[in-house]
Amino acid sequence: AQRVTQPEKLLSVFKGAPVELKCNYSYSGSPELFWYVQYSRQRLQLLLRHISRESIKGFTADLNKGETSFHLKKPFAQEEDSAMYYCALNRTNAGGTSYGKLTFGQGTILTVHP
Amino acid sequence: NAGVTQTPKFQVLKTGQSMTLQCAQDMNHNSMYWYRQDPGMGLRLIYYSASEGTTDKGEVPNGYNVSRLNKREFSLRLESAAPSQTSVYFCASTERGTGQRSNQPQHFGDGTRLSIL
Repeated sequence: AQRVTQPEKLLSVFKGAPVELKCNYSYSGSPELFWYVQYSRQRLQLLLRHISRESIKGFTADLNKGETSFHLKKPFAQEEDSAMYYCALNRTNAGGTSYGKLTFGQGTILTVHP
Repeated sequence: NAGVTQTPKFQVLKTGQSMTLQCAQDMNHNSMYWYRQDPGMGLRLIYYSASEGTTDKGEVPNGYNVSRLNKREFSLRLESAAPSQTSVYFCASTERGTGQRSNQPQHFGDGTRLSIL
């Protein structure tokens, strides 16, 4: 069975410091990994996905299949980055088609202090 | 566009009561989902509907039923509420969740905070 683990429930950093939110997964097939974010009083929304190799709001995440990790990084944290962050995995079969069901990690609350 | 709309936003029930959580999306999405969010547990999938007319169990389906009324609407029913079902419930939709290399994001509603006494 697939599993997503976010080892840190809470993470606090100061403004301008680097931040890394950890995500590890277990899945024997070909995974798709995502980061979702929920800002205060806003809806849960997609932040980024591994296949797009994009940087959103200064955040990047690289899929490391050897370490089965998809850590979220930002070199200089901002106060507006304070939020709940979820790592999520979408299973695909050997042919690359999606099962369409996301497995979420437990979430990490990031607080960026001024 | 409202995106995904959930009603009600808050509800308090007594053990044994029943209720239906409503969800509607206006994005013409094919796939819809119901999750529950509990502290320390993240989001867990209750049921999903890959397309109109189909539903399937997720990770934690016990105690729940769903209906995909049409392409827009996907309801979640608690037949006999239990305190263990106290949670925040999220509905989500995506253009197409299955059958292809799916990179489409899931769009979430605001959630329903449900307390069962």
